[in-house]
Amino acid sequence: DAGVTQSPTHLIKTRGQQVTLRCSPKSGHDTVSWYQQALGQGPQFIFQYYEEEERQRGNFPDRFSGHQFPNYSSELNVNALLLGDSALYLCASSLFRYQETQYFGPGTRLLVL
Amino acid sequence: GENVEQHPSTLSVQEGDSAVIKCTYSDSASNYFPWYKQELGKRPQLIIDIRSNVGEKKDQRIAVTLNKTAKHFSLHITETQPEDSAVYFCAALNTGTASKLTFGTGTRLQVTL
Repeated sequence: DAGVTQSPTHLIKTRGQQVTLRCSPKSGHDTVSWYQQALGQGPQFIFQYYEEEERQRGNFPDRFSGHQFPNYSSELNVNALLLGDSALYLCASSLFRYQETQYFGPGTRLLVL
Repeated sequence: GENVEQHPSTLSVQEGDSAVIKCTYSDSASNYFPWYKQELGKRPQLIIDIRSNVGEKKDQRIAVTLNKTAKHFSLHITETQPEDSAVYFCAALNTGTASKLTFGTGTRLQVTL
């Protein structure tokens, strides 16, 4: 039974660039949520995707966008990167009808220089 | 929106002792409260959760208690072991209106020999 996977594991970008992060949910799950975890902080909710639509969004600017594919995998895109975007980006998968029970992937550590 | 406070930020206990981490939440409509363990460089791992219709839940050495009236919940770890050393996060969610987890700021638990 495959768990939640994310790619890449690490990424270094410069200010102003764009980045795409990828997530494959746990086998059997249909819902993907994205979180940003700054160093020493708890994860902060970015948005959630179900049925290829953004269902809910946290307090993040429009520079953060996403997509969900028919196979339930998801992408997180961040445009016009800022130094403050440096963080661990976590993907969490769940079943929509039990969406509160979320399982996290290993994350992508993004460093913006 | 929901706000979750977590205390203490760091906790050091000797092996075999008990550890208690406390969280308070602000939204009385929150009804799901998970706890995650995050080891250095690893993903947050769901270790136990509790719903608002239950006052206490146990799983081997781990227990969680919930006081809905006071809007606080606690994680209890008994007979601590060195492998319990990690950062622990509490979170809250209202399953009726939201699917985003609101996390506390984390507690770094150090179990010393």
